[in-house]
Amino acid sequence: SQQGEEDPQALSIQEGENATMNCSYKTSINNLQWYRQNSGRGLVHLILIRSNEREKHSGRLRVTLDTSKKSSSLLITASRAADTASYFCATGLFGGATNKLIFGTGTLLAVQP
Amino acid sequence: KAGVTQTPRYLIKTRGQQVTLSCSPISGHRSVSWYQQTPGQGLQFLFEYFSETQRNKGNFPGRFSGRQFSNSRSEMNVSTLELGDSALYLCASSPGDRASGELFFGEGSRLTVL
Repeated sequence: SQQGEEDPQALSIQEGENATMNCSYKTSINNLQWYRQNSGRGLVHLILIRSNEREKHSGRLRVTLDTSKKSSSLLITASRAADTASYFCATGLFGGATNKLIFGTGTLLAVQP
Repeated sequence: KAGVTQTPRYLIKTRGQQVTLSCSPISGHRSVSWYQQTPGQGLQFLFEYFSETQRNKGNFPGRFSGRQFSNSRSEMNVSTLELGDSALYLCASSPGDRASGELFFGEGSRLTVL
């Protein structure tokens, strides 16, 4: 399977703490993206990092990418109860004109108020 | 701009029946992708359409098919339904002019096969 792996599978923290999720993938990539999904709903795009970038910030989000290790991490700082959701990494494949994404297995984040 | 609209949101079918799901992309978006989400297999790519042509296809049996119309709206069809087809089917659109960019997802169609 081309599917990426994420860890941890589940994470429970208190409001105000930081949450870190990790993603590993298998193929050469054009970019790596992170999405959030509230229970049973559609996915919402959070951030995209290109294969030639190492770190990117967006508000309380910080993403790193290590293409030599085929891994990425998502850091959410100062978590809020509203951040409770599942988080997925997704890789855009290298080469070809396609928007196909390979999604990871997801991390379920619970932020306790 | 209105977001991606998927209909129906929920449906129940029995084994052997067929189902058609509809997706209206964001205005101006020419690429529509479909994904299946199940607890066991996670999010899996079904197919992508761009300007009425299938641009990429996932590893699903021929019972799963799709099409895109000239207004970029897309439908997917599953024939001879099996219990394992129960899933959340997600549609996503993008402008399509740049490969592997951000996708905009609809709320999904939740299919239950009895």
